[in-house]
Amino acid sequence: NAGVTQTPKFRVLKTGQSMTLLCAQDMNHEYMYWYRQDPGMGLRLIHYSVGEGTTAKGEVPDGYNVSRLKKQNFLLGLESAAPSQTSVYFCASSLNTYNQPQHFGDGTRLSIL
Amino acid sequence: AQTVTQSQPEMSVQEAETVTLSCTYDTSESDYYLFWYKQPPSRQMILVIRQEAYKQQNATENRFSVNFQKAAKSFSLKISDSQLGDAAMYFCAYRSARLNSGGSNYKLTFGKGTLLTVNP
Repeated sequence: NAGVTQTPKFRVLKTGQSMTLLCAQDMNHEYMYWYRQDPGMGLRLIHYSVGEGTTAKGEVPDGYNVSRLKKQNFLLGLESAAPSQTSVYFCASSLNTYNQPQHFGDGTRLSIL
Repeated sequence: AQTVTQSQPEMSVQEAETVTLSCTYDTSESDYYLFWYKQPPSRQMILVIRQEAYKQQNATENRFSVNFQKAAKSFSLKISDSQLGDAAMYFCAYRSARLNSGGSNYKLTFGKGTLLTVNP
């Protein structure tokens, strides 16, 4: 009964380093999302995907790239990490019907020094 | 673009009492969904309750209920018989029900959250 799994749960990077966050869901959901959560800001959408092989920009896409090569996985990449990208990152997934809620992973806390 | 406003950064309630969290939103759409999510210290985002805009009846889930006022664009959450486990950050969220080809309408727009403390 895994649902949405995010890897890793914590990471500390130095400015300029790169890394990839992995999101995996086992619910056969078509839609997947990456959000970031900052203090006092709520959750903001970075990128999303409406199906395998598709991605699109959300509200705050700059500095991030994503890929959805397999339906169950959605990867978020930081090519050159910056301190402004210090945040908690959440992945979510949902069915492609508008009345279905999004299911969230447990988040990844990322610190950029 | 839709916006969601939670005007109460923090609220507190005594155990067993009732508390109401406020949420207002701005949209030009007539068909949409509203959600309340709970985020405890464990950081999980847990769906508490949802409301379809086309339904006049307020949604209820056990001790949680909403007061949905469509004309006023208000969506408050009432927690009855508060328990220590209800202590968390609560987020109000909006989602369009209008289908578009890009799928962008399926995203959630969140408020900034209300931190609820439950006092024993």
